[in-house]
Amino acid sequence: DAKTTQPTSMDCAEGRAANLPCNHSTISGNEYVYWYRQIHSQGPQYIIHGLKNNETNEMASLIITEDRKSSTLILPHATLRDTAVYYCIVRGRGDYKLSFGAGTTVTVRA
Amino acid sequence: NAGVTQTPKFQVLKTGQSMTLQCAQDMNHEYMSWYRQDPGMGLRLIHYSVGAGITDQGEVPNGYNVSRSTTEDFPLRLLSAAPSQTSVYFCASSPLGGNDNEQFFGPGTRLTVL
Repeated sequence: DAKTTQPTSMDCAEGRAANLPCNHSTISGNEYVYWYRQIHSQGPQYIIHGLKNNETNEMASLIITEDRKSSTLILPHATLRDTAVYYCIVRGRGDYKLSFGAGTTVTVRA
Repeated sequence: NAGVTQTPKFQVLKTGQSMTLQCAQDMNHEYMSWYRQDPGMGLRLIHYSVGAGITDQGEVPNGYNVSRSTTEDFPLRLLSAAPSQTSVYFCASSPLGGNDNEQFFGPGTRLTVL
């Protein structure tokens, strides 16, 4: 059973913020939300993760709703190099296996 | 650090041939894993290991063997290749413990079985 639901695809204008939604309505209390991306058949790349607080790093911000049933990954100033498939993954602490769905194909347009 | 390295980058096999896909990491990570990715799909876990001498099956283990004799290396063996094993194979590693378990992925091996 899929633990997360993401839109199949989305477009974004270069220089604008890209907001990627993810639903994880069955998430349990000890499960984290992770985001990875895969640029054109390269190996997936870690972006960010969080438990219940909002998180920010040099790549992106992660906003998790108070009920933790959904989250949004924000790329603040999308560039053409951000064109990739973005995966939202729910993972329990101590469980290292990653379950990849189909992800969201993000296309950044000039 | 070289990170996670995989060899070969590309491989073509005939049905029934055997081969080993190599994966190595120089970050002293306990956890290593193998995934396969078919066209247009997400990655699926084949096998994983939480340390030398310890391996376990993932979602799609049939047709593949693994062993973990050292922390650094985690080879994936195809004993009798089948066309259904045509895929891109990714190896990943991460430390164990803590909350910041970012997994590092290799560049992949593109395998075609004729």
